[in-house]
Amino acid sequence: GEDVEQSLFLSVREGDSSVINCTYTDSSSTYLYWYKQEPGAGLQLLTYIFSNMDMKQDQRLTVLLNKKDKHLSLRIADTQTGDSAIYFCAEVTGGSYIPTFGRGTSLIVHP
Amino acid sequence: GAVVSQHPSRVICKSGTSVKIECRSLDFQATTMFWYRQFPKKSLMLMATSNEGSKATYEQGVEKDKFLINHASLTLSTLTVTSAHPEDSSFYICSARPRSSVRTDTQYFGPGTRLTVL
Repeated sequence: GEDVEQSLFLSVREGDSSVINCTYTDSSSTYLYWYKQEPGAGLQLLTYIFSNMDMKQDQRLTVLLNKKDKHLSLRIADTQTGDSAIYFCAEVTGGSYIPTFGRGTSLIVHP
Repeated sequence: GAVVSQHPSRVICKSGTSVKIECRSLDFQATTMFWYRQFPKKSLMLMATSNEGSKATYEQGVEKDKFLINHASLTLSTLTVTSAHPEDSSFYICSARPRSSVRTDTQYFGPGTRLTVL
């Protein structure tokens, strides 16, 4: 199976919270990332979390890491139409500096 | 913040021709640049890693004679798709690691280049 897995789609109503989930297999992951890709554009780093942290909050974004279950989530509060994009989860393991990406979750925000 | 540009943003070419894509770090020097290929609904696939002044390191399954990478300076890397075929049509994204970065995992991504081969 894939090293980093994400569901492909998520649809939410504007103003609601979005939660995008990601699971990974490598227990030696050091950093985990969330990237945002808008249509026809490259990747923008949204946030990252070091593997010894459980949670990181940055304005509307909350990242939760469950290292035991190898589960990472990104919560976007008060989701707006401008948040519609593909969100990639990625990990970097000790000894490597090249991230392994998930397939991306397409977030669709509707009125 | 650090900016990486790619040129062109879109290119359409005939089968059999070669296409060059440029990746530039605009406000920093990049010791290492990466080239990714993105398929629809698929993850980014790392194609190769290039270090300034040396040969690129290609990932398994990537043809080095087909995808020529040159990293001639600390701010420019080029990817040339030689004798392009329709199956080479894809979205190509580069990223660059700053020379000054303390963290080795820091990468800044370019906006991508959409290649369509007819």
